[in-house]
Amino acid sequence: DAKTTQPTSMDCAEGRAANLPCNHSTISGNEYVYWYRQIHSQGPQYIIHGLKNNETNEMASLIITEDRKSSTLILPHATLRDTAVYYCIVRVLNTGTASKLTFGTGTRLQVML
Amino acid sequence: DSGVTQTPKHLITATGQRVTLRCSPRSGDLSVYWYQQSLDQGLQFLIHYYNGEERAKGNILERFSAQQFPDLHSELNLSSLELGDSALYFCASSVGPTGTDNSPLHFGNGTRLTVT
Repeated sequence: DAKTTQPTSMDCAEGRAANLPCNHSTISGNEYVYWYRQIHSQGPQYIIHGLKNNETNEMASLIITEDRKSSTLILPHATLRDTAVYYCIVRVLNTGTASKLTFGTGTRLQVML
Repeated sequence: DSGVTQTPKHLITATGQRVTLRCSPRSGDLSVYWYQQSLDQGLQFLIHYYNGEERAKGNILERFSAQQFPDLHSELNLSSLELGDSALYFCASSVGPTGTDNSPLHFGNGTRLTVT
């Protein structure tokens, strides 16, 4: 799976948009970008995933650059409950291969009053 | 609530002992994955089962084994426990097996294992 690079930590004011970047410059054509978060020691929570097009759901938006070498997760109105470690993961999907997720170290997002 | 159930939530045991962790996947999911998270290692993939068959192995020690039963629940068995096995153990499930299924993994809230 392609390696990802994320900032170690970020701060965001409550009510503002949180923009979390991820670099995946070695991504290949059959690799999806997934975002998860982990709040304290709870299980990782799925947020969103995409291949090439921008995606939006009730939790967040995912913006993938045209060359697919980087992406940004946007939490439109961050709250204190969004304080967590956010993981950007690229996952290869090929017939016959395992589809596990490989977690890196993620970005620790601190939402502040 | 992800729909993935793990029991027990906490487990304290002594070195040398054996424990079994249990996972019930979300309704309709056929794949089960096990992960270990210790303080210094992050989330490490251990093993993946699909519909009762082992599909992939990660950094799983020989002292550890897993299986997935016909009702699709899975058990992770840890034996000859050492202090270093203290960690959070997470189970995740997804719809498909491998390959082109891009459905996300959904994680349970884990079992915290403490080996004393």
